[in-house]
Amino acid sequence: DSGVTQTPKHLITATGQRVTLRCSPRSGDLSVYWYQQSLDQGLQFLIQYYNGEERAKGNILERFSAQQFPDLHSELNLSSLELGDSALYFCASSGLGQGAEETQYFGPGTRLLVL
Amino acid sequence: AQSVTQPDIHITVSEGASLELRCNYSYGATPYLFWYVQSPGQGLQLLLKYFSGDTLVQGIKGFEAEFKRSQSSFNLRKPSVHWSDAAEYFCAVGSNFNKFYFGSGTKLNVKP
Repeated sequence: DSGVTQTPKHLITATGQRVTLRCSPRSGDLSVYWYQQSLDQGLQFLIQYYNGEERAKGNILERFSAQQFPDLHSELNLSSLELGDSALYFCASSGLGQGAEETQYFGPGTRLLVL
Repeated sequence: AQSVTQPDIHITVSEGASLELRCNYSYGATPYLFWYVQSPGQGLQLLLKYFSGDTLVQGIKGFEAEFKRSQSSFNLRKPSVHWSDAAEYFCAVGSNFNKFYFGSGTKLNVKP
């Protein structure tokens, strides 16, 4: 158990809908990362937040957005969903998020299925 | 552009045999390199990482990896594989700008 929690574990929705994925980092960690793992794209870095501020951006679509709240939990919002958005979405956390050398601790993921 | 290549999609080894998983990266500066393991239905767990210094890095579960700058490689090794090592392994590179790039993964199957 990494100490990172993600809810829900599974999510089934329809095309065009909007969903919110939630992540709680390990106690004391200030930085949160979001990743998408799909069969065709593999594991892709989406975005990083540190203490409420966006720090780094990867291959995140404009239909997707994220935020980190004062209590440090983070939410990933996916809108206008398409079939291709079906994937496993991981959240990871690290202490300070100030460098790539920090160890990231991954949550168990949220499996999204868009029908 | 940064990229990571894991040329082997699937590898099968016998229990007790040695293992080497290949990873090649493309990155302009000194890379931050990682190996993660993912068991079915689980998140990723860090096995080891390299930033600088000794090019042979020891990790958890008896794994080690060697950074070879001249070959742009960071191969993962284990001298004797256990059945519990069956999983998917990902090589990753991190940039100075906190962006991370993962390889496509290598699925390891262990024969009894």
